[in-house]
Amino acid sequence: KAGVTQTPRYLIKTRGQQVTLSCSPISGHRSVSWYQQTPGQGLQFLFEYFSETQRNKGNFPGRFSGRQFSNSRSEMNVSTLELGDSALYLCASSLLAASGEQYFGPGTRLTVT
Amino acid sequence: DAKTTQPTSMDCAEGRAANLPCNHSTISGNEYVYWYRQIHSQGPQYIIHGLKNNETNEMASLIITEDRKSSTLILPHATLRDTAVYYCIAFSSGSARQLTFGSGTQLTVLP
Repeated sequence: KAGVTQTPRYLIKTRGQQVTLSCSPISGHRSVSWYQQTPGQGLQFLFEYFSETQRNKGNFPGRFSGRQFSNSRSEMNVSTLELGDSALYLCASSLLAASGEQYFGPGTRLTVT
Repeated sequence: DAKTTQPTSMDCAEGRAANLPCNHSTISGNEYVYWYRQIHSQGPQYIIHGLKNNETNEMASLIITEDRKSSTLILPHATLRDTAVYYCIAFSSGSARQLTFGSGTQLTVLP
């Protein structure tokens, strides 16, 4: 079974721009969670989607948004990028919502200049 | 979710068992203990989880004390590829909460 895939793997953007990251979960998994990882803050939860509905959201500004499609693929969008948004963005999928057993993708490394 | 405490770092000789401790003295009855690891610059990898019985899979064994206040992840024959940050998380599935990753333990397997 193929693992979680994320595209693109690396991205360089300029302050003020917006970015869209994509995540394809493991086949059959209906829950997708997004995390941000930085050296200073560690791994922080952004949001979780299950059956196209956002069911949980972390403590991030409204510039961070996401969505999930009927095939369970998910995208997250960051608008008006700031230098502090430079991070590794990780997507994880699981069979059920709010599951502790999650399978992570390789991440998208976003650099904001 | 209950707070967990792990040592910041540990070393282990290649081929020997790596025993990674985790303290979760405030764990509640419906919280499971989950272990993940993250090899440098990769996404975290799920290892194992348990409630109160010891668990074993192809990657590791999980030993949970009878009072559930602490646990130990055991990698029976550590290899250089096991060098990673290991996270212990107390979590109740099906809740509105989400996995919270702390600082973890940096395990370095030495040749």
